[in-house]
Amino acid sequence: DARVTQTPRHKVTEMGQEVTMRCQPILGHNTVFWYRQTMMQGLELLAYFRNRAPLDDSGMPKDRFSAEMPDATLATLKIQPSEPRDSAVYFCASGFSSRGAQPQHFGDGTRLSIL
Amino acid sequence: AQTVTQSQPEMSVQEAETVTLSCTYDTSESDYYLFWYKQPPSRQMILVIRQEAYKQQNATENRFSVNFQKAAKSFSLKISDSQLGDAAMYFCAYRANSGNTPLVFGKGTRLSVIA
Repeated sequence: DARVTQTPRHKVTEMGQEVTMRCQPILGHNTVFWYRQTMMQGLELLAYFRNRAPLDDSGMPKDRFSAEMPDATLATLKIQPSEPRDSAVYFCASGFSSRGAQPQHFGDGTRLSIL
Repeated sequence: AQTVTQSQPEMSVQEAETVTLSCTYDTSESDYYLFWYKQPPSRQMILVIRQEAYKQQNATENRFSVNFQKAAKSFSLKISDSQLGDAAMYFCAYRANSGNTPLVFGKGTRLSVIA
């Protein structure tokens, strides 16, 4: 089965360090989402792309977060500088943009801990 | 903005019994999709079942079925013949019908299965 691949699976780093999370969407999927999961806020959208173009990044703190799709097989989410409140699980998901009940397929997430 | 509410933070069920998880949502749209995702301790997000709002017939997937009440904006999940492997967090999610747009999630219900 095709899967969304996220790396790293876990990341522990100190406050102030740069963090880069990577996502390889399922081949052929043209829509990529970044979600963040915390105990307090639950699952919330950070940003999403269609055909590599950003459509909505209103969920991201712009001063420290950035999301890009250098090519169709790679999406990145960067945090610089990182803060303890960024500790969370970050999920990437991908899907087709066609209408209909096309599901989003999720990666296994990156568990980020900022000390 | 659309919202999804899961009013049961935790539920428990005896093995082989039936349990129903509740979900309500708020939207002004007439065409949309609803989903239930399962998140076991491994933290994968697994699609359990989906429902198109324009369909009156409730979706079923093996032991999982939904009770979709469009007028009441209610979308409950019924798990029949519960198994130990059903123990997980369950998230209800909403998506507008305009291509593959972001999911709006509820806060989740933690389901325990008692042997």
